[in-house]
Amino acid sequence: GDSVTQMEGPVTLSEEAFLTINCTYTATGYPSLFWYVQYPGEGLQLLLKATKADDKGSNKGFEATYRKETTSFHLEKGSVQVSDSAVYFCALKNTGNQFYFGTGTSLTVIP
Amino acid sequence: NAGVTQTPKFQVLKTGQSMTLQCAQDMNHEYMSWYRQDPGMGLRLIHYSVGAGITDQGEVPNGYNVSRSTTEDFPLRLLSAAPSQTSVYFCASLAGGTNYGYTFGSGTRLTVV
Repeated sequence: GDSVTQMEGPVTLSEEAFLTINCTYTATGYPSLFWYVQYPGEGLQLLLKATKADDKGSNKGFEATYRKETTSFHLEKGSVQVSDSAVYFCALKNTGNQFYFGTGTSLTVIP
Repeated sequence: NAGVTQTPKFQVLKTGQSMTLQCAQDMNHEYMSWYRQDPGMGLRLIHYSVGAGITDQGEVPNGYNVSRSTTEDFPLRLLSAAPSQTSVYFCASLAGGTNYGYTFGSGTRLTVV
């Protein structure tokens, strides 16, 4: 069945460091891919998305590229800030509108 | 623009009690879902609905009931609460088409003692 595997955390980085959170997926057909962010005590918010191969989603300095050849959708940011501290979820939506989420990666950015 | 509204935000129940978690959306979304979030397990789908009058089970439906009498509302009922149902519950709705993601509510933190 469809599934998402993402990098285990927690991840701790210094401010202005480079961030990569790995995400790979298994799906039949052509799913849409998403990154969600969850700040403490809040619900999940859509961070970025990509709907077809080679699409790049971007928002707030974060980027992820839909790589069908490697079934990956890694999240990157060139220079993290303390305010980026949160839990990040990779997700896919298949053609039946079924969502599958990764287990989440906790990021802490220290000044 | 309320989006998805969940109530209550916090709840403590005794084992065996029943309660209803409320969820309402004002975006005219057809697709709505309930998830539970537990440490180390990500989000697991409890029930979902593709429109008013239509509901179906997700990955972990046991102990929960849902109904969808209107497009706006999708309540989740716990029939007889158990400590294993201690979790954070999220309601989410989805716009039609293949290019959109979920809009999530802010969650209900439930503790069953």
